[in-house]
Amino acid sequence: EAGVAQSPRYKIIEKRQSVAFWCNPISGHATLYWYQQILGQGPKLLIQFQNNGVVDDSQLPKDRFSAERLKGVDSTLKIQPAKLEDSAVYLCASSLPGLAQYEQYFGPGTRLTVT
Amino acid sequence: KQEVTQIPAALSVPEGENLVLNCSFTDSAIYNLQWFRQDPGKGLTSLLLIQSSQREQTSGRLNASLDKSSGRSTLYIAASQPGDSATYLCASSNNAGNMLTFGGGTRLMVKP
Repeated sequence: EAGVAQSPRYKIIEKRQSVAFWCNPISGHATLYWYQQILGQGPKLLIQFQNNGVVDDSQLPKDRFSAERLKGVDSTLKIQPAKLEDSAVYLCASSLPGLAQYEQYFGPGTRLTVT
Repeated sequence: KQEVTQIPAALSVPEGENLVLNCSFTDSAIYNLQWFRQDPGKGLTSLLLIQSSQREQTSGRLNASLDKSSGRSTLYIAASQPGDSATYLCASSNNAGNMLTFGGGTRLMVKP
């Protein structure tokens, strides 16, 4: 069974530029999550999708971050414009539909450096 | 708002030692608690998931326990090996939507 795929693996941009990350979840996983992990900290949830609908985006900085999950499969997370404090690893995870009894499976992450 | 704390932040032990990693949470109304492993530059690997109705889960040399009333979980690693060196993260889910709140992690080094 293929795992959660993410690309790119690494990205370096200057502040005020824009960037986009892509995630392909495990086949059949209706729930998709984006997390931000700053160096030395645990991941923080940014947004959760159930199919192509948003379940929770309360911690997403909506003035600069946006995410979509068209057709309920792949998802993209965009930052525009980027700030220095956005430097982090962005992790995508997926699970079976929304029930807390199911484990979340994580992708390898995209390491973003904003200079 | 749930807060999850892991102590210690870092731990170094000799190979073969049994060890315990600690996780505490402030809101005991959890749906589940998960333990993850993270290797440098990699994503998270799920180790164990304990439902709120359960007291412990075991997988190989790993045993995780959950005490909701005291707001604590422990991960026990038996006969540690250098390959166990990684960061261990615990996370709680406080709703049916399974949104996780993570602790800061414990960075474990097992010396040969």
